[in-house]
Amino acid sequence: DIQMTQSPSTLSASVGDRVTITCRASQSISGWLAWYQQRPGKAPKLLIYKASSLESGVPSRFSGSGSGTDFNLTISSLQPDDFATYYCQQYSSYSSFGQGTKVEIK
Amino acid sequence: DVQLVESGGGLVQPGRSLRLSCTSSAFSLGDYGLSWVRQAPGKGLEWVSFIRGKAYGGTTEYAASVKGRFSISRDDSKNIAYLQLSGLKTEDAAVYFCVLSTDYYLYFNHWGQGTLVTVSS
Repeated sequence: DIQMTQSPSTLSASVGDRVTITCRASQSISGWLAWYQQRPGKAPKLLIYKASSLESGVPSRFSGSGSGTDFNLTISSLQPDDFATYYCQQYSSYSSFGQGTKVEIK
Repeated sequence: DVQLVESGGGLVQPGRSLRLSCTSSAFSLGDYGLSWVRQAPGKGLEWVSFIRGKAYGGTTEYAASVKGRFSISRDDSKNIAYLQLSGLKTEDAAVYFCVLSTDYYLYFNHWGQGTLVTVSS
């Protein structure tokens, strides 16, 4: 099984900050990685797929990068709606998720 | 606009069974890959099971944690997908989301609102 590890687990930031969340796979997954945003009490929402492809309708302040085992999700200028939990997901071998990164208000 | 709707959750005793359903008014479920993803209270996401679209034979896959206990299926005539949960354990308690992949690959661009399964005696 492929294990996904996100860091940090919690990130404190302010509106307007640039933030980066890291996801590491236990083995190479090429570019088969997605990122999701989940607000409390809601279903997750797809942000990025294939490591860097922006899902339709997702603001351009979200971007993804990486390949192989190391990946990043960057929010270029944090907005009030962006305080949420973010998950990475590999789909190279079935599917598995990272443990999540909570972005909270500083 | 909720495009996937789950039902069938509830309180069940350990060792018993439950069947979850997923319907859609927006998608012909048989045309896509459909998965179930669960989230225990206060915890992260866990992929549970997947059924391929008709074009790919409708074959199924399971996470190791549920293999042999859970069964995914689909009734294309009714446009309903099912997850049969058997031999339930307390650690199976979670919100179960029905999720759709409109691409060939196993990332999830459509999610239901989830149905809560509680396992307790």
